[in-house]
Amino acid sequence: GESVGLHLPTLSVQEGDNSIINCAYSNSASDYFIWYKQESGKGPQFIIDIRSNMDKRQGQRVTVLLNKTVKHLSLQIAATQPGDSAVYFCAEKAQGGSEKLVFGKGTKLTVNP
Amino acid sequence: NAGVTQTPKFRILKIGQSMTLQCTQDMNHNYMYWYRQDPGMGLKLIYYSVGAGITDKGEVPNGYNVSRSTTEDFPLRLELAAPSQTSVYFCASSGFSNQPQHFGDGTRLSIL
Repeated sequence: GESVGLHLPTLSVQEGDNSIINCAYSNSASDYFIWYKQESGKGPQFIIDIRSNMDKRQGQRVTVLLNKTVKHLSLQIAATQPGDSAVYFCAEKAQGGSEKLVFGKGTKLTVNP
Repeated sequence: NAGVTQTPKFRILKIGQSMTLQCTQDMNHNYMYWYRQDPGMGLKLIYYSVGAGITDKGEVPNGYNVSRSTTEDFPLRLELAAPSQTSVYFCASSGFSNQPQHFGDGTRLSIL
């Protein structure tokens, strides 16, 4: 069935290091994937998205990689800053009809100064 | 540009009471969504709307109702509040399908 999960619930990195947050999904029919950042007391904030016809997409300091063979999604944050500390969610949407965006449980990223 | 605005920010209800969570967006988005987020969990879709006059159930619709009379507004109604509905509720909107959803800052609801 549809499910999106994360390998690690928490991740702690040093300021300036690169961060990699992983996500596994199970629905091979999913064709749209999205990463959100959620700070305490706030709503999710869009970071980057990718469609299934792509393997990689880059934004400002962030890169999303999609491996459809093993149903794996990752978010890479370059030169991680204290302001990047938050919970990161991946989400997927299946192709055709339903607008349901399935969210994973989230990974809490802590950036140590 | 306000984006997605949710009111109230906090609310405490007694079991059996009813209330309406308000959501409005000023981006002229067609699609609007309601999610709930339980502690330590991701978001689960309650209801969504692809345009004024059209609503559809999401993953967890039981105990809730919605309406979409205008493009801007998408209120969520709880008719008989139950403790299981204690959660943080997020409203979101997007221009089209497969576009990023923009979220409000949530309504924190406790039912005692």
